[in-house]
Amino acid sequence: DTEVTQTPKHLVMGMTNKKSLKCEQHMGHRAMYWYKQKAKKPPELMFVYSYEKLSINESVPSRFSPECPNSSLLNLHLHALQPEDSALYLCASSQDPVQVTPLSYEQYFGPGTRLTVT
Amino acid sequence: ELKVEQNPLFLSMQEGKNYTIYCNYSTTSDRLYWYRQDPGKSLESLFVLLSNGAVKQEGRLMASLDTKARLSTLHITAAVHDLSATYFCAVDTSGTYKYIFGTGTRLKVLA
Repeated sequence: DTEVTQTPKHLVMGMTNKKSLKCEQHMGHRAMYWYKQKAKKPPELMFVYSYEKLSINESVPSRFSPECPNSSLLNLHLHALQPEDSALYLCASSQDPVQVTPLSYEQYFGPGTRLTVT
Repeated sequence: ELKVEQNPLFLSMQEGKNYTIYCNYSTTSDRLYWYRQDPGKSLESLFVLLSNGAVKQEGRLMASLDTKARLSTLHITAAVHDLSATYFCAVDTSGTYKYIFGTGTRLKVLA
């Protein structure tokens, strides 16, 4: 199984709402990622979790709050977002590139959540 | 700082023609990845290139890596409309979790 799943597929929220994005993988990967992608741009890394601990936060505003409850799940909690946060949010997973050979370091992407902030 | 540049940014080509997309990166890395993205969709892995001189082919696409020149190419042979998409290369910084994505090449194959 090389699938990463994400829910919901689409999300529309107001600037005062609180919502969460969910991501799940069952490939035994120990690194999980959140990316943000605006139209016609490459994905931008937001957060990386390795072994369920936050390894990288790319100076993301605090209105985005990641959580990794276990090795298969990754959440992104959203609160008080701005319209400019509207984007495609992608989750990915990989083997731990620090621990294993390069042969295993490939990121597998989920289908994404299309977020619209009104 | 690792930078990854692709060219061209936009490519419109006729079916049946050949073309090459280039991916240049600024610092040493032995690992390069190619992804395809259809409009509104996620990224689909195409090729994983893990050493100097690596060459991989799948259908009408062939990717190669020259780590000394810090260059990867994605060659399209006899293009068909179904290849229309955006193609990204990505380079990882050794020993970390970061992919640095190229700017992307939007390919449109005209029937």
